[in-house]
Amino acid sequence: QKEVEQDPGPLSVPEGAIVSLNCTYSNSAFQYFMWYRQYSRKGPELLMYTYSSGNKEDGRFTAQVDKSSKYISLFIRDSQPSDSATYLCAMKDAGNNRKLIWGLGTSLAVNP
Amino acid sequence: DGGITQSPKYLFRKEGQNVTLSCEQNLNHDAMYWYRQDPGQGLRLIYYSQIVNDFQKGDIAEGYSVSREKKESFPLTVTSAQKNPTAFYLCASRVTGSGEGQFFGPGTRLTVL
Repeated sequence: QKEVEQDPGPLSVPEGAIVSLNCTYSNSAFQYFMWYRQYSRKGPELLMYTYSSGNKEDGRFTAQVDKSSKYISLFIRDSQPSDSATYLCAMKDAGNNRKLIWGLGTSLAVNP
Repeated sequence: DGGITQSPKYLFRKEGQNVTLSCEQNLNHDAMYWYRQDPGQGLRLIYYSQIVNDFQKGDIAEGYSVSREKKESFPLTVTSAQKNPTAFYLCASRVTGSGEGQFFGPGTRLTVL
């Protein structure tokens, strides 16, 4: 079993839809959770960063962490064609400041 | 503008040749990382460095080498010992001691013919 599981999709939604992207993990020591967006043939871009549990909102993006269920989510409201990309989750524990553990990424297409 | 640069964007080499990929950052970050990305396999860590003149192997270091002589620079050499070098290579950096995420360069697409 991988430490981080992420459904690769592809996920296809109409413009304006609410998108939910998810990752599950097995290591209860993970404390830092990140979401990255990667456009085709580009480097990943850090979208959201959350420490421990709870929600964090930034514009149309909301990140949620449920440590009791070992489950993290990224919600995108009013999705736009420019949101079409691969979304990667990453996480690490407090004791290991060096390595991130990555999901495989979910491919999202927002159709006009 | 602060950021991470990788050069070249595309690189073609013949099988059996060593090749060096450049990574430079002006973010004043202490830690730097090299990843390889293949379709369906996500990001895999090759090498990382926490401080100048020190680096550690990641999960797939065989066939690769690095140096960290300057804080700003972390070049990666893909040697002829790497059995399947064709991939997208990503460099990243981070402030050590911070829980925040890594910041990535634009990547280098290496194709070995």
